[in-house]
Amino acid sequence: QAGLTQPPSVSKGLRQTATLTCTGNNNNVGNQGAAWLQQHQGHPPKLLSYRNNNRPSGISERLSASRSGNTASLTITGLQPEDEADYYCSAWDSSLRGWVFGGGTKLTVL
Amino acid sequence: EVQLVESGGGLGQPGGSLRLSCAASGFTFSSHWMSWVRQAPGKGLEWVANIKEDGSEKYYVDSLKGRFTISRDNAKNSLYLQMNSLRAEDTAVYYCARETAATITDFDYWGQGTLVTVSS
Repeated sequence: QAGLTQPPSVSKGLRQTATLTCTGNNNNVGNQGAAWLQQHQGHPPKLLSYRNNNRPSGISERLSASRSGNTASLTITGLQPEDEADYYCSAWDSSLRGWVFGGGTKLTVL
Repeated sequence: EVQLVESGGGLGQPGGSLRLSCAASGFTFSSHWMSWVRQAPGKGLEWVANIKEDGSEKYYVDSLKGRFTISRDNAKNSLYLQMNSLRAEDTAVYYCARETAATITDFDYWGQGTLVTVSS
């Protein structure tokens, strides 16, 4: 089952801005967008952004999601040490009739 | 408070079976699609299967069709995953995840996961 494409790693400095990307196709990201999840080591994933780019209650305003065509993006401003984690995108694939995930991006805050 | 608590993981024999359970509380279980998602050690997330609110529709990742079966009991607020013909590559943490009650759904709550290890 083909997944979504994310860069394996991104490194940015404290208080800088990081933009993570997630590329799919017309059947998934390009169709209804992608959600973003954060996972700290040893913990379950946590939803950061819905596929409509809105944030769930309690998620920092430093995070914003967007989409252009088949690529979704998550921008995190004012990076903090607690932002260091793995980030995954997810989307429903209408052709595969199933959920697909990106391989994950490890964000390092220097 | 929404809670999802998985159980049933442990050591499974190659070719053997395990049944995972997920106990849900804090929300109307019968109003949500539910999914199983797994994560092999040191790897990314892989969706396994999901099931409609009333159990009438089920979808599986192609690679697992025929070996795993998802089911639910809304009277018991519980989700299940029957895993047969286990293989070493099934070793993973298995998460139960709730899908939002919306036209466009997302995974909004996750359990802590249960570890399945397949080894002789």
